[in-house]
Amino acid sequence: KQEVTQIPAALSVPEGENLVLNCSFTDSAIYNLQWFRQDPGKGLTSLLLIQSSQREQTSGRLNASLDKSSGRSTLYIAASQPGDSATYLCAVEAATSYDKVIFGPGTSLSVIP
Amino acid sequence: SQTIHQWPATLVQPVGSPLSLECTVEGTSNPNLYWYRQAAGRGLQLLFYSVGIGQISSEVPQNLSASRPQDRQFILSSKKLLLSDSGFYLCAWRGISGANVLTFGAGSRLTVL
Repeated sequence: KQEVTQIPAALSVPEGENLVLNCSFTDSAIYNLQWFRQDPGKGLTSLLLIQSSQREQTSGRLNASLDKSSGRSTLYIAASQPGDSATYLCAVEAATSYDKVIFGPGTSLSVIP
Repeated sequence: SQTIHQWPATLVQPVGSPLSLECTVEGTSNPNLYWYRQAAGRGLQLLFYSVGIGQISSEVPQNLSASRPQDRQFILSSKKLLLSDSGFYLCAWRGISGANVLTFGAGSRLTVL
């Protein structure tokens, strides 16, 4: 059974810092991995999707990497801004149970001006 | 362009009453559809997913059921609500290819009293 964990559960950083969020999954046979952002009381917004054949994806100040063999992904946020404050969730689709997308518990990020 | 709609946005129901949450997708055909629940301060729990009309996969034994009467319509129901059914319910869709991102609706907040 695929399980997804995220470390840390919460993070507070001063504005301008670079930061890394971590995601781990127990079954390395994944089809893809996605990173999402959720603002309080809102739905989720997709940030980056990494296919199993890819090592990383970049969008603006965001860079997500994937290491399938170790069951890990990181989301790197450069030059953090107060507007980045939100909960960040990763989700995986296991190759052995296609179409089923499982989420981690999320990391709550607070960027202090 | 594709859009996803969820309603109602907010719902307060007494214990033992029925529930119906509706989700529709526009601008696409044969989407994968998903229902997730997010309890206060917790991650997303996959409840049901569907890869086609009448095809429902249930992930968690519970007091809820799902139906897909039309290609782009996904309904979450309960005959008798429990206090533990309270939470934020999110519907999502994705194209049939795993290269497509998972796109979420705005969510329905259910409070059972």
